[in-house]
Amino acid sequence: GAGVSQSPSNKVTEKGKDVELRCDPISGHTALYWYRQSLGQGLEFLIYFQGNSAPDKSGLPSDRFSAERTGGSVSTLTIQRTQQEDSAVYLCASSLRWEVRETQYFGPGTRLLVL
Amino acid sequence: RKEVEQDPGPFNVPEGATVAFNCTYSNSASQSFFWYRQDCRKEPKLLMSVYSSGNEDGRFTAQLNRASQYISLLIRDSKLSDSATYLCVVKSATSGTYKYIFGTGTRLKVLA
Repeated sequence: GAGVSQSPSNKVTEKGKDVELRCDPISGHTALYWYRQSLGQGLEFLIYFQGNSAPDKSGLPSDRFSAERTGGSVSTLTIQRTQQEDSAVYLCASSLRWEVRETQYFGPGTRLLVL
Repeated sequence: RKEVEQDPGPFNVPEGATVAFNCTYSNSASQSFFWYRQDCRKEPKLLMSVYSSGNEDGRFTAQLNRASQYISLLIRDSKLSDSATYLCVVKSATSGTYKYIFGTGTRLKVLA
């Protein structure tokens, strides 16, 4: 079956523009996660969804970042008024459930470059 | 102090060598632990979960020491294809919810 897909795979934008990143989780996976990985850095946990609900948004770097999930499937991460420090790879992952030992499956990521 | 710490390496080892990585975590309430592998410019992929009793999968052995708050990964008989960055992942409870905390990774290069 298909894995996690993300689009676009690459995005170049100008500072101040808004961008929208999309994640299609594995079919049937109820939990969905967004991470950010800057060059040479570890993965930074941004937000997760249990179904359509995001219990904790404190990991989002600023109020310019928002995420939503509808229909328990596709999720979008929106960055408003992008800044150069937003440049990173944005990774999405999904797991069957939000359980202690559930395996997360990652998508290929969206490489965002803010000029 | 970072919540999850790893030696960034790189560890350069010859083929066939045994290599071990450690990872320490600061939250004693952490519930589950994993090792992920990430190849250059690729997404992370689960290598193995880490259980309290320790677990083995072929050439890979993972151990958890809750008292000292560290996990380890041992790779025996290293292959060239083992060259990658190994990420330690801890699922921790914080502020009434849970987060996955990734270490920055340990880079391994297996040399012919």
